[in-house]
Amino acid sequence: SQTIHQWPATLVQPVGSPLSLECTVEGTSNPNLYWYRQAAGRGLQLLFYSVGIGQISSEVPQNLSASRPQDRQFILSSKKLLLSDSGFYLCAWSAGLLTGELFFGEGSRLTVL
Amino acid sequence: TQLLEQSPQFLSIQEGENLTVYCNSSSVFSSLQWYRQEPGEGPVLLVTVVTGGEVKKLKRLTFQFGDARKDSSLHITAAQPGDTGLYLCAGAEGFGNEKLTFGTGTRLTIIP
Repeated sequence: SQTIHQWPATLVQPVGSPLSLECTVEGTSNPNLYWYRQAAGRGLQLLFYSVGIGQISSEVPQNLSASRPQDRQFILSSKKLLLSDSGFYLCAWSAGLLTGELFFGEGSRLTVL
Repeated sequence: TQLLEQSPQFLSIQEGENLTVYCNSSSVFSSLQWYRQEPGEGPVLLVTVVTGGEVKKLKRLTFQFGDARKDSSLHITAAQPGDTGLYLCAGAEGFGNEKLTFGTGTRLTIIP
């Protein structure tokens, strides 16, 4: 069966520091991969998605970047964090089917102080 | 940009009552999904509806896709405390577009 893991689960970082969140998928090949950010108790905002190695689509201009160095690895990064980067970050994968069902990781809570 | 508005935003009801959550858009979606999310966890897929007018039942939960595929509803019968959570609808544009548009969310609390 397929599994998805992301880490770290919780992160507290000072303003101006770098960020790296990692996500890996097991049990499938060539998945579509996604990074979402969620404001407290609200809907999800798509940040980046990738349909293949090295292919990244950015949805929202911001202080963040994403990379996909391997087929089942997706990384969210920042060189200098802002206060507004605080939030709950979710990695997800889909098989790329027409209906696009997403399977989510456990989430990473980022607090920028 | 396609938008999905959910209503109500917050809902708190007694155990045993019935409720309906709505998901509306001015755009057409090829399919629509409903997810439930517990605090501190990722959303979990409940159902996918594809055909306009389609109705799917998952135990006490009934999902309906609007005839024009622009809206959906989730009806819960005899709500239980375990139904508490954040309910999110998400629409797929389909036709090779690999993105989902998520709704604004409905925070449901069932009071024992």
